[in-house]
Amino acid sequence: AQSVAQPEDQVNVAEGNPLTVKCTYSVSGNPYLFWYVQYPNRGLQFLLKYITGDNLVKGSYGFEAEFNKSQTSFHLKKPSALVSDSALYFCAVRDMTGSASKIIFGSGTRLSIRP
Amino acid sequence: KAGVTQTPRYLIKTRGQQVTLSCSPISGHRSVSWYQQTPGQGLQFLFEYFSETQRNKGNFPGRFSGRQFSNSRSEMNVSTLELGDSALYLCASSLERALDYEQYFGPGTRLTVT
Repeated sequence: AQSVAQPEDQVNVAEGNPLTVKCTYSVSGNPYLFWYVQYPNRGLQFLLKYITGDNLVKGSYGFEAEFNKSQTSFHLKKPSALVSDSALYFCAVRDMTGSASKIIFGSGTRLSIRP
Repeated sequence: KAGVTQTPRYLIKTRGQQVTLSCSPISGHRSVSWYQQTPGQGLQFLFEYFSETQRNKGNFPGRFSGRQFSNSRSEMNVSTLELGDSALYLCASSLERALDYEQYFGPGTRLTVT
């Protein structure tokens, strides 16, 4: 079965430092991968996606993600964290197996940026 | 351009009742997807509608159903409510197939079943 894993429930980073939120996936075929962010009391927002092309994908709010096929990873990164980046981050993968297609979300990683 | 709107924002129902949630997608978007978010199960895909047809469905019982109208607005219905149905229900719209395109989420409907 296709799946996506976010191994860290919480990531703590000091403001100004680089941040990484990890995501690994398991799919058959070419992966379609997404990152979403959920700010407190706000809905989910799309950050970026990988379908094909360059392994480094740039997205909203200065975030980028690196697709690594050999390690089956799609880690979210930002060179310099802001306090306003504190939120819940979800990695997602398209699942085309079975009779119906769907999107599977990871369990989420809470990112906390301290001033 | 207005975002995805969901009504109502909050709802309290008792076990055994049924409930209908509404979602209005971004203008021009043809795909509407529904998700259930709970602390225990996380975000789970319910179903996707595209041009009034259900295209994809997650692993939820038949008590969960939906439909999409010709103006792309969508409704989700849950019959015979159970305590475990308490959750935040999120609706998302996308231009085309939700599996290929970024989705835009509404603020959600918080359903509490007592």
